[in-house]
Amino acid sequence: AQSVTQLDSHVSVSEGTPVLLRCNYSSSYSPSLFWYVQHPNKGLQLLLKYTSAATLVKGINGFEAEFKKSETSFHLTKPSAHMSDAAEYFCVVSDAGSYIPTFGRGTSLIVHP
Amino acid sequence: ETGVTQTPRHLVMGMTNKKSLKCEQHLGHNAMYWYKQSAKKPLELMFVYNFKEQTENNSVPSRFSPECPNSSHLFLHLHTLQPEDSALYLCASSQDMGRGRSSNYGYTFGSGTRLTVV
Repeated sequence: AQSVTQLDSHVSVSEGTPVLLRCNYSSSYSPSLFWYVQHPNKGLQLLLKYTSAATLVKGINGFEAEFKKSETSFHLTKPSAHMSDAAEYFCVVSDAGSYIPTFGRGTSLIVHP
Repeated sequence: ETGVTQTPRHLVMGMTNKKSLKCEQHLGHNAMYWYKQSAKKPLELMFVYNFKEQTENNSVPSRFSPECPNSSHLFLHLHTLQPEDSALYLCASSQDMGRGRSSNYGYTFGSGTRLTVV
């Protein structure tokens, strides 16, 4: 069985400060993990993915995430927030036991000027 | 443009109407999906098609009827909907290599159809 928990429903940061969006997962197999971003009135866009290669994954728009098996975490980070980063972010887990991925409930990132 | 196109972008329909949502992808993907996204609720998987065959129906009411005539096109036929069916309906596609091997690729989503049932 697989599951994913996004620990914060809302994260608020000031422009230019670091971003941390937290995600914990549960999986009976070696998981693939993803982060998606959804801007208002848009579909979801793939930011980055982990598929058992390097544990530190770099994505688009300066985002990166680190796979930590011991902590079952896959937190999303960015060194410096930009106003355009304001959006909903979804953490997703998918493993060989269930080929349909499981989406987290989402974290709304708010960026203040 | 993501490569997955959904039409219409917005749809308002009465409870007795019949309408269809359309999804088209030209990415060469062989799996397509319908998701429902309601306010304050997690993303809900509705249907999955692999190589034009429906492989998943996530307990969706029969007033939603999917159709996949080929690997590039997916439809969602709607009839006698309820106000609680108002939501953003998202189509996605992926390169599915069979059970247990689709997970590495991720999905490409369309921009969605915002449906309002009045």
